[in-house]
Amino acid sequence: ETGVTQSPTHLIKTRGQQVTLRCSSQSGHNTVSWYQQALGQGPQFIFQYYREEENGRGNFPPRFSGLQFPNYSSELNVNALELDDSALYLCASTRAETGIYGYTFGSGTRLTVV
Amino acid sequence: AQTVTQSQPEMSVQEAETVTLSCTYDTSESNYYLFWYKQPPSRQMILVIRQEAYKQQNATENRFSVNFQKAAKSFSLKISDSQLGDTAMYFCAFILNNNDMRFGAGTRLTVKP
Repeated sequence: ETGVTQSPTHLIKTRGQQVTLRCSSQSGHNTVSWYQQALGQGPQFIFQYYREEENGRGNFPPRFSGLQFPNYSSELNVNALELDDSALYLCASTRAETGIYGYTFGSGTRLTVV
Repeated sequence: AQTVTQSQPEMSVQEAETVTLSCTYDTSESNYYLFWYKQPPSRQMILVIRQEAYKQQNATENRFSVNFQKAAKSFSLKISDSQLGDTAMYFCAFILNNNDMRFGAGTRLTVKP
């Protein structure tokens, strides 16, 4: 079975621009969560998608938005990029029915905002 | 506030020795799940061990075991017979409501030959 894949692996953007990060969930998983990991810190929960709907959100502004597609893959969109958005963005997938037993993480997208 | 505290930013251990990583958390909920994740330089978070808060018995996975003290809200990880491949960042985390996983700031563990 394939794991969670994220693209791109690295990205450099200019302040004020918009960015889209992509995540393919593990086969059989129907729930995707996104996390932001700033340098030297633990990941912080951004939001989760289940059945193409947002299913919980952390303390992030509305310029962080997402989508989940019928094949359970997901996108994270960030508008009006700020320097503090520079971080590793991690995607994690699970099957809702098994929930906390099956979170699988991807290797992340390293976003640098200059 | 739902928070996780890892008070040891860095630790080191000699190969084959035992090391314990500390973690405390704060929640008013009674039903939650606790985790230790390992993050090597490849950046992927890898689940090391999991504990259900309603279970009194401490979880074990091969060389990894936890000391779960629910009243003290403490969840430490013991690594026995440390191996060079255990070198990584280790994150303690807990989850409520099946979606918002809270992580600590991590402990950087170095296993020395």
